[in-house]
Amino acid sequence: ELKVEQNPLFLSMQEEKNYTIYCNYSTTSDRLYWYRQDPGKSLESLFVLLSNGAVKQEGRLMASLDTKARLSTLHITAAVHDLSATYFCAVAPNTGNQFYFGTGTSLTVIP
Amino acid sequence: GAVVSQHPSWVICKSGTSVKIECRSLDFQATTMFWYRQFPKQSLMLMATSNEGSKATYEQGVEKDKFLINHASLTLSTLTVTSAHPEDSSFYICSARSGGSQPQHFGDGTRLSIL
Repeated sequence: ELKVEQNPLFLSMQEEKNYTIYCNYSTTSDRLYWYRQDPGKSLESLFVLLSNGAVKQEGRLMASLDTKARLSTLHITAAVHDLSATYFCAVAPNTGNQFYFGTGTSLTVIP
Repeated sequence: GAVVSQHPSWVICKSGTSVKIECRSLDFQATTMFWYRQFPKQSLMLMATSNEGSKATYEQGVEKDKFLINHASLTLSTLTVTSAHPEDSSFYICSARSGGSQPQHFGDGTRLSIL
């Protein structure tokens, strides 16, 4: 059974602090995606990581992928309240057409 | 670019009725569309994958006779929840992509409430 696990599940942090969200998966994959979901809304694409060692940054968020360790990280730098949301990683196995989501990390940034 | 439109946004109906949800890719051709279900405070669960012109592939535990999926064109897929019951109440989200390595683009979701 394919598993995609995120850690932590819930995160409350103060503004201006840093933190890293981890995404571990149990299948062979070179494709990993990060999404943001606001309450009651659908998903917004943040990052597409398509190779081992890929690193992408957008504003205060930076994502990386280690396909050998089957691990992706989403690093938050100097958090601001606007980053409060639920963040999902999603893995596309190298075989097949499916897309599997992680458990999600609910982030609350406190002023 | 890469806009996916989902309709309706919210539907409330009585138990026993059937509900159709549409998913359209507005500015690209979607070779593959996906249907997800999300319960409150949970992650997205893949229900089925559909390729244009072929039968949908359902995930284990998803009843194909209850959740009818039609992917009639490269820009439209529909999900029909047949004889809906309160336990089918959920947030249904579709997504579409144009190629194997392309990211999925998500619709705004449909909140389904069955009374």
